[in-house]
Amino acid sequence: DVKVTQSSRYLVKRTGEKVFLECVQDMDHENMFWYRQDPGLGLRLIYFSYDVKMKEKGDIPEGYSVSREKKERFSLILESASTNQTSMYLCASGQVGVSGEGGYTFGSGTRLTVV
Amino acid sequence: ELKVEQNPLFLSMQEGKNYTIYCNYSTTSDRLYWYRQDPGKSLESLFVLLSNGAVKQEGRLMASLDTKARLSTLHITAAVHDLSATYFCAVDINWSGGGADGLTFGKGTHLIIQP
Repeated sequence: DVKVTQSSRYLVKRTGEKVFLECVQDMDHENMFWYRQDPGLGLRLIYFSYDVKMKEKGDIPEGYSVSREKKERFSLILESASTNQTSMYLCASGQVGVSGEGGYTFGSGTRLTVV
Repeated sequence: ELKVEQNPLFLSMQEGKNYTIYCNYSTTSDRLYWYRQDPGKSLESLFVLLSNGAVKQEGRLMASLDTKARLSTLHITAAVHDLSATYFCAVDINWSGGGADGLTFGKGTHLIIQP
């Protein structure tokens, strides 16, 4: 099975800190994603990447950046954390074939609290 | 902009009853996912529906897709307490591009099944 590992389960950071959330997948997938999940809002796509050093903005990229230096690793960066970035962050990895086979696997999530 | 709407957002039901969760989306797509999320946990893939008329069943859950109506349903038969969770539908509108663009999620249906 595809495994998507997020390095931290819980994080508490101070306002203004630079925060790194790390995600590693072990199935050689080209595509990786970062979502945030908030009560009543569902999951919203922050950034995604379809190749090493490539990145694309999702629906809510403001206040975030990403890094993908290696195929298996996709990092989400909060340049200057703010309290409104307190949330659950979910990383996903996936690939879809020409016939529609495949799909996406999610990591266990990082619950970030900014104080 | 793709919109995905689930209803109901909250559902409390008794064991043994049947019910259906609805997922409407606004843009043509023939690839739809259903996920389950338990409190504090990540997303577990339940079904991937790949074409119009697709129907998949696993235990007491059955999912279907009508691409013409842009509607998917998740039907619960003879509910049991263990099915209590939050259920999300998600639409993939660019899967033919290799799944690179990620998913757009509904806000989720919080399901409580009471003994």
